[in-house]
Amino acid sequence: QSALTQPRSVSGSPGQSVTLSCTGTSGDVGGHNYVSWYQQHSGKAPKVMIYDVSTRPSGVPDRFSGSKSGNTASLTISGLQPEDEADYYCCSLAGSYTWVFGGGTKLTVL
Amino acid sequence: EVQLVESGGGLVQPGGSLRLSCVGSGFSLSTSWMHWVRKAPGKGLVWVSLIKSDGTSTTYADSVKGRFIISRDNVKNTVYLQMNSLRDEDTAVYYCATDRYYTLNVWGQGTTVTVSS
Repeated sequence: QSALTQPRSVSGSPGQSVTLSCTGTSGDVGGHNYVSWYQQHSGKAPKVMIYDVSTRPSGVPDRFSGSKSGNTASLTISGLQPEDEADYYCCSLAGSYTWVFGGGTKLTVL
Repeated sequence: EVQLVESGGGLVQPGGSLRLSCVGSGFSLSTSWMHWVRKAPGKGLVWVSLIKSDGTSTTYADSVKGRFIISRDNVKNTVYLQMNSLRDEDTAVYYCATDRYYTLNVWGQGTTVTVSS
């Protein structure tokens, strides 16, 4: 149950695009399409932004998109807004009905 | 409105026990698989445990296996996390969340557990 690997921090200016990566193994990220992404503002509960690798829940802006290649999943945020500044976590089903999160990426909007 | 509310957190000494509760409102929790997730200070989210709808199947992270027990009372619309043999490293905000097709869908606001002498 090793954590998925995410960069500790990413930054971008308003209007720009950023891509957050999430690297796992064939036993989790690479083994199926049950990868999700969560946004967490300081002191708040996490909120699902993407599930099943690339599906956006209703109410999530289409500026958020997800993809996967091999053992690495990615979250792209286009047209950065100040309110996008938060921590982002990827999560994957890891087999035998266990889950694993990434260490989280702190997104700063400059 | 679909909502989850956790309670039961507090200060406990190392080696002690605590039971967390997660009550659902606005929906019937009985049809949902339920997760517990924690976030230690300055650290990231860590998955802790899952219980399936009827309570007959449970899974745990290696870090809590043998010490924590997840259970549920569908009549009371409540899920529990019994935490025993608590360690300093169990200090965290604990969240419950519903599962929807392997995605942690609806989250509570969390309850804080502090393990310290």
